[in-house]
Amino acid sequence: GENVEQHPSTLSVQEGDSAVIKCTYSDSASNYFPWYKQELGKRPQLIIDIRSNVGEKKDQRIAVTLNKTAKHFSLHITETQPEDSAVYFCAASPVSGGYNKLIFGAGTRLAVHP
Amino acid sequence: DAMVIQNPRYQVTQFGKPVTLSCSQTLNHNVMYWYQQKSSQAPKLLFHYYDKDFNNEADTPDNFQSRRPNTSFCFLDIRSPGLGDAAMYLCATSRPRGQGNGYTFGSGTRLTVV
Repeated sequence: GENVEQHPSTLSVQEGDSAVIKCTYSDSASNYFPWYKQELGKRPQLIIDIRSNVGEKKDQRIAVTLNKTAKHFSLHITETQPEDSAVYFCAASPVSGGYNKLIFGAGTRLAVHP
Repeated sequence: DAMVIQNPRYQVTQFGKPVTLSCSQTLNHNVMYWYQQKSSQAPKLLFHYYDKDFNNEADTPDNFQSRRPNTSFCFLDIRSPGLGDAAMYLCATSRPRGQGNGYTFGSGTRLTVV
């Protein structure tokens, strides 16, 4: 079945450094790739997403890149701040029926140290 | 302006005692999902409704059932909770594929089984 692998599982950076989280998906027909940020005890919040017809998307300090050939996509956070500390989940949406099933990666716990 | 509301936020139930979690939405989205998220793990899809059509994931235990009496409400019933069912249960909604892929998550219900 569909599978999404995410690395690393934990990431520790100094404030101001960049952070990169990588994901690989198995279903080549997947066409939508969102990233969620989840703070402790809170709901996952969508921070950025990308569709399969786009190779890169940027929103202020956050960017996502997609390599369809290699079936991997990455989240890039620049100029990290302590409030970026959270668990980040990537997800892929395989083409299946009329709904938007999301398969999540295992998550990356990002710690940004002042 | 909460648009996907889950009640209660915290639920404690006894081993083997049926429990129901509720989710309501004001977005008029066709699709409603229930995810189970155990500590330090990714959300795992249990089932979803596309309008009135119920779709169970292949590995969702029979102990978990769902009801969607109307567009706005969806319930998760756990018939005989075991200790392994302790988790955060997340409800999410979305439009059908082709009308936007974004999920809106509720705040979740954290279930404790004693």
